[in-house]
Amino acid sequence: DSGVTQTPKHLITATGQRVTLRCSPRSGDLSVYWYQQSLDQGLQFLIQYYNGEERAKGNILERFSAQQFPDLHSELNLSSLELGDSALYFCASSVGASGSKEQYFGPGTRLTVT
Amino acid sequence: ILNVEQSPQSLHVQEGDSTNFTCSFPSSNFYALHWYRWETAKSPEALFVMTLNGDEKKKGRISATLNTKEGYSYLYIKGSQPEDSATYLCAFGPGSQGNLIFGKGTKLSVKP
Repeated sequence: DSGVTQTPKHLITATGQRVTLRCSPRSGDLSVYWYQQSLDQGLQFLIQYYNGEERAKGNILERFSAQQFPDLHSELNLSSLELGDSALYFCASSVGASGSKEQYFGPGTRLTVT
Repeated sequence: ILNVEQSPQSLHVQEGDSTNFTCSFPSSNFYALHWYRWETAKSPEALFVMTLNGDEKKKGRISATLNTKEGYSYLYIKGSQPEDSATYLCAFGPGSQGNLIFGKGTKLSVKP
């Protein structure tokens, strides 16, 4: 158990809908990262927050947005969902903001868009 | 476009064999290189983070080396055990931010 929690574990929704994925980092970690794992793709970095502020942005679609709250939990909002958004979404946390710190991954949320 | 390549894609070995995998990454703008172990139905688990050229890290039977000048890292497993069966991911950190570029992994299967 990494100490990172994600809810829900599974989500099935229809095209055009909007969903929110939630992540709570390990106690003491200030950075939260979101990754997407699609079929046949490696883990794709979406976005990083550090202590409430956006720190780095990857290939995150405009239909997706995220935020980190004062209690350090983070939410990833996916809207106008398309079939291609079906994927495993991981959240990870680390103690610092830099790439020299190991990241601890949550169990993931499997999103299925029908 | 920054790319991280891992080879081989998959590997089947017998229990007791030693094995190694390769991770290739851009040699410019290097900040960090991570190795993760990902078992089926679980989430990736950090093995090593290396930041300096020539770094060598070891955890039990698993070790890793880093060459930032030529852009590669090796992961070695000595005396593979069935419980080592997993996908091994490497990830390149191109800057001081935490964003990582992951390779597609090497899937290791160890037969008893």
